[in-house]
Amino acid sequence: QVHLVQSGAELKKPGSSVRVSCKSSGDSLSNYAINWVRQAPGQGLEWMGGIIPIFGTTNYAQKFQGRVTISADESTNTAYMELSTLESGDTAVYYCARDRAGSGWFGWLDPWGQGTLVTVSS
Amino acid sequence: QSVLTQPPSASGTPGQRLTISCSGSDSSIGSNSVSWFQQIPGTAPKLVIFNDNQRPSGVPDRLSGSKSGTSASLAISGLQSDDEADYYCAAWDDGLDDYVFGTGTKVTVL
Repeated sequence: QVHLVQSGAELKKPGSSVRVSCKSSGDSLSNYAINWVRQAPGQGLEWMGGIIPIFGTTNYAQKFQGRVTISADESTNTAYMELSTLESGDTAVYYCARDRAGSGWFGWLDPWGQGTLVTVSS
Repeated sequence: QSVLTQPPSASGTPGQRLTISCSGSDSSIGSNSVSWFQQIPGTAPKLVIFNDNQRPSGVPDRLSGSKSGTSASLAISGLQSDDEADYYCAAWDDGLDDYVFGTGTKVTVL
């Protein structure tokens, strides 16, 4: 059974950057699209982008273009999401999720990581 | 902002059938498959329907998905207290070139 385990909570200052990791256990993440989704407190889900490690291709939401970088290290079975120029509105729980369809953008997100709370505050 | 519109809330009594709607457009639901996610507060979302009407293993057949044109629906039959959660539809939007989520529906079992 596949599990995605994310890094721990972060407290960041406005203007700084954060990097969240997502390690796959039970299966290689190389052949799947790994997506990142965030959820601000009390709000809905928002897709940020994703990567297909075997192809090295990324796909970013228009809203986050230029501010988010998604990468993957196949040797450690880990994906990363880095968000720069943080502001208070970026305070949210950040999730990684694998596309069960495989190496394509289908949006069939399963499973999900446990989530990482990123708090942006001065 | 979300381009998939859902009712903010829905409720029913145990055993009832409940339906949640998701309204999109030609470029989203009209052109791509729909997924549905269940989220119990404080936990990660869970995929309950993918490819419009398919259930992952372990999801009870009380949950079913359907799609017609630019709208989709999630039906929950034999409503149980375990079904209390937030539900989100989602699909790719070819016009935005983004994956978009619905506004979310909070389901309450009375």
